[in-house]
Amino acid sequence: DTGVSQDPRHKITKRGQNVTFRCDPISEHNRLYWYRQTLGQGPEFLTYFQNEAQLEKSRLLSDRFSAERPKGSFSTLEIQRTEQGDSAMYLCASSLATGVLWYGYTFGSGTRLTVV
Amino acid sequence: ILNVEQSPQSLHVQEGDSTNFTCSFPSSNFYALHWYRWETAKSPEALFVMTLNGDEKKKGRISATLNTKEGYSYLYIKGSQPEDSATYLCAFHSGGGADGLTFGKGTHLIIQP
Repeated sequence: DTGVSQDPRHKITKRGQNVTFRCDPISEHNRLYWYRQTLGQGPEFLTYFQNEAQLEKSRLLSDRFSAERPKGSFSTLEIQRTEQGDSAMYLCASSLATGVLWYGYTFGSGTRLTVV
Repeated sequence: ILNVEQSPQSLHVQEGDSTNFTCSFPSSNFYALHWYRWETAKSPEALFVMTLNGDEKKKGRISATLNTKEGYSYLYIKGSQPEDSATYLCAFHSGGGADGLTFGKGTHLIIQP
């Protein structure tokens, strides 16, 4: 296992187009998270999954955003009708949590989205 | 809205010098405080996860302390090397509500040879 993989690394799209990003977590990790980082800010939490269940969504996740983790393994994040304000680095992370124990995050390298 | 502040925003340090920077976070509903190092074009790398008041952790030349009662953590780098150049992020993990981390904006560290 080579860590958390994200695809693509970079995406340039025209305003109004839909885009989809993929994240492959560490295989034994049951939790998967999406964050977004805009210029000059720290990463901001978007949503997370425990196995295939989406347990939490931030207010940042407007109805143009949808995330799935259909089989509890990889996840996709789709943005519909992209806007220039969606330009950001989208980070995925995974972790292993069992009961009250939690073992920390491993991040991917991110997908940088530019909306023109 | 949780407020996590890091200072300074950026820092230039001469190679060989030691340095430190600060993360402040809410002192209530504390679960854990994370430190990450993020180099350009790479993924954020976990440095420390700290949970107990008074925790001190060390990894090579880097160490961190935690004060949950007053809501701050310090990260120290001893004998800075060019490879320490990166953005250092702290993140607050609260015990309730969303399981997501609340990150600060980071301290951008540049080590000058």
